[in-house]
Amino acid sequence: DTGVSQDPRHKITKRGQNVTFRCDPISEHNRLYWYRQTLGQGPEFLTYFQNEAQLEKSRLLSDRFSAERPKGSFSTLEIQRTEQGDSAMYLCASSPQGVGAPQHFGDGTRLSIL
Amino acid sequence: AQTVTQSQPEMSVQEAETVTLSCTYDTSESDYYLFWYKQPPSRQMILVIRQEAYKQQNATENRFSVNFQKAAKSFSLKISDSQLGDAAMYFCAQKTSYDKVIFGPGTSLSVIP
Repeated sequence: DTGVSQDPRHKITKRGQNVTFRCDPISEHNRLYWYRQTLGQGPEFLTYFQNEAQLEKSRLLSDRFSAERPKGSFSTLEIQRTEQGDSAMYLCASSPQGVGAPQHFGDGTRLSIL
Repeated sequence: AQTVTQSQPEMSVQEAETVTLSCTYDTSESDYYLFWYKQPPSRQMILVIRQEAYKQQNATENRFSVNFQKAAKSFSLKISDSQLGDAAMYFCAQKTSYDKVIFGPGTSLSVIP
């Protein structure tokens, strides 16, 4: 399977704990995106990378959120001191460079905060 | 700022019939792409169709076609000969030269046998 993979699929944690998610994009894709999706809503942009460079981070994102893509391949999204409102599906997508290039999505990581 | 609006939270269609999902957007960019994505329940989001803003001809992919009205900033999706497998959330999305993608809130499509 050469699609976008995300790990874990589900994460349940207590409020205040830190969590980290991983995304492995399609190998030849240099763009990688993170989104948050709540039930019945569209994906909300969080941040994206071109290779290892983080090009933009949503202003809606608090300082508790951080993302990295250290070698331009896989990426991690960390949430520190989780809150109830962080409960959501976190989606990763990758694409080749270019305005018209569509994104390929992973299955997402569902985060539940107790 | 980029915005994408889908005014129909839910739609339904009889199997084999045609349905049109609406989308409007706003952007100050001149070069951009528009996409329709499909997200079946508990499944991965996949691309349905895309349209480049510079192309006047409406995109078509098998039973899926779009009506792109650039001046009106409208981008609707028509699904012909609807099938049970078309039941899903459908998201309209816009991507500009900065590569940031903005999604609409989605339309939940039900297909009635």
